[in-house]
Amino acid sequence: DAKTTQPPSMDCAEGRAANLPCNHSTISGNEYVYWYRQIHSQGPQYIIHGLKNNETNEMASLIITEDRKSSTLILPHATLRDTAVYYCIVRPGPYSSSNTGKLIFGQGTTLQVKP
Amino acid sequence: DSGVTQTPKHLITATGQRVTLRCSPRSGDLSVYWYQQSLDQGLQFLIQYYNGEERAKGNILERFSAQQFPDLHSELNLSSLELGDSALYFCASSAGLAGGDTQYFGPGTRLTVL
Repeated sequence: DAKTTQPPSMDCAEGRAANLPCNHSTISGNEYVYWYRQIHSQGPQYIIHGLKNNETNEMASLIITEDRKSSTLILPHATLRDTAVYYCIVRPGPYSSSNTGKLIFGQGTTLQVKP
Repeated sequence: DSGVTQTPKHLITATGQRVTLRCSPRSGDLSVYWYQQSLDQGLQFLIQYYNGEERAKGNILERFSAQQFPDLHSELNLSSLELGDSALYFCASSAGLAGGDTQYFGPGTRLTVL
């Protein structure tokens, strides 16, 4: 599984966009980028995932560079409730021959949203 | 609410004891995963079951075992507990076996070994 690199911490002002970067330079062609977050010892929460096209859902947007070696998770209007640890994970996609979906978590980015 | 339930929420026990953690996956999900989160190790994958069968193993100690029952709920058994086993234990479920299936996590069980 490809390794990811994230900054250990970031701050964001409430109401502003939070842009969380992730490097995954060894990602292979059939691997997806997934983002989860964990709010204060709660169970990790799925946010979004993508392969190569930009993706958007009700929670966030995911921008993946053309070479797929990095990505950015965007929370468009951060609130205090978005304060959490954000994990970027690379894993096989739905058509992969891998028969396990285990998630390998790194240290993530602690996002602190400030009033 | 992810739809994954875990019991109990908290568990306090003594060294050398044995405990069982229970997980009910989301309705229709066939895969169950167990993860351990300790302060020094972060979130680590322990084991995966799919439709009753073990599918993948991670950093799971021999003192730990798991199973998935015909109704698809799963139990994680921890025995000969040590202080270092104190951690949050999360269960997650996904629809199938495919590597790309999204996993949904339960609220976790906090285990404290005294």
